[in-house]
Amino acid sequence: QKEVEQNSGPLSVPEGAIASLNCTYSDRGSQSFFWYRQYSGKSPELIMFIYSNGDKEDGRFTAQLNKASQYVSLLIRDSQPSDSATYLCAVIGGGYQKVTFGIGTKLQVIP
Amino acid sequence: GAVVSQHPSRVICKSGTSVKIECRSLDFQATTMFWYRQFPKQSLMLMATSNEGSKATYEQGVEKDKFLINHASLTLSTLTVTSAHPEDSSFYICSARGSGEKPVDGYTFGSGTRLTVV
Repeated sequence: QKEVEQNSGPLSVPEGAIASLNCTYSDRGSQSFFWYRQYSGKSPELIMFIYSNGDKEDGRFTAQLNKASQYVSLLIRDSQPSDSATYLCAVIGGGYQKVTFGIGTKLQVIP
Repeated sequence: GAVVSQHPSRVICKSGTSVKIECRSLDFQATTMFWYRQFPKQSLMLMATSNEGSKATYEQGVEKDKFLINHASLTLSTLTVTSAHPEDSSFYICSARGSGEKPVDGYTFGSGTRLTVV
């Protein structure tokens, strides 16, 4: 079982719709969860982080965490073509705080 | 915010030569540096973790004699790919963390280096 699992997509949504990106993780002891956006050929940039169960909202983005189900998601409201990118789920675990990334979900927002 | 400068952004080298990639933290002291590699359509894979002044810890399957990591100062870490081969062609990214910071504060990524070995 992979440590951090994501559907690679592509996930296609029309402009203005809600995009829902999902991620599961295997380490129950994981404490910190991140969503990064990566454009092709570029380095990842941090979108959201979440530590506690529940929802966390920041502008058009909402991160959701359910530690019991070992599940974290990212909702993007009012999706824009500029949101088209690969979204990486990342989890911090282990004794020395290393970050483990999922494979990423490619999102395509259709104008 | 924190900035990590990574150079070069692109490099093409001949098979058998060595390539050095630098990451500098510009406005904070990077006590820990993480080096990642990303092949096309794959996720970032951690290669090694280095703490300033000590030897790097390599992930399983990563050859420490091939990928030399130096973290001699709090603002500079280097990755040297020795005797590069075409299969080493990849996107290499560093990520730095300062001391005493929460995880979300400290994981600043460099801009990445696209290495092509011909």
